[in-house]
Amino acid sequence: GNSVTQMEGPVTLSEEAFLTINCTYTATGYPSLFWYVQYPGEGLQLLLKATKADDKGSNKGFEATYRKETTSFHLEKGSVQVSDSAVYFCALSRSATGTASKLTFGTGTRLQVTL
Amino acid sequence: NAGVTQTPKFRVLKTGQSMTLLCAQDMNHEYMYWYRQDPGMGLRLIHYSVGEGTTAKGEVPDGYNVSRLKKQNFLLGLESAAPSQTSVYFCASSYSSGGSGELFFGEGSRLTVL
Repeated sequence: GNSVTQMEGPVTLSEEAFLTINCTYTATGYPSLFWYVQYPGEGLQLLLKATKADDKGSNKGFEATYRKETTSFHLEKGSVQVSDSAVYFCALSRSATGTASKLTFGTGTRLQVTL
Repeated sequence: NAGVTQTPKFRVLKTGQSMTLLCAQDMNHEYMYWYRQDPGMGLRLIHYSVGEGTTAKGEVPDGYNVSRLKKQNFLLGLESAAPSQTSVYFCASSYSSGGSGELFFGEGSRLTVL
């Protein structure tokens, strides 16, 4: 079946440090890949996505590249801010267009950014 | 804008009690979902719905029932709560085009079963 593996947290960084959160996946065929973010006390919200190999998703300074050869979708940001403190979830979907988006989520990685 | 609203936000139950979680969305989405979030396990899909009057089982449906009598509402019921159902429950919805993976989540409902 489908599965997503994320690096365990928490990850603690100083402001302006470089961030990498690793994500690898197992799936048949060609899934779409996503990063969701959950800020304290809120629900998850989509951060970025990539739907085919070599695509790069980006948003709010975060980037992730769909690497089919390594089955990875690592999240990166060049300079984190305190406001980036949250839990980050990697997810995949093999749902076809026009069907329900049944996502498979990783376990989440908590990021804490300090001044 | 309300988006996806869940009620109640917190609830404590005793083993064997029943309860219903209500999810309401005002975005006219066709698809709605219930997930549970547990430490070290990420989010797991309980049930979902592809339209008014329809429901389907997800990854962990046992012990839960759902109903979608109105397009904007998706109810999650526990008929006889068990401690294993202690969790944070998230409702989500998505556009009818589906498949895109963009789900809109509510703020969550924290349920404790004693």
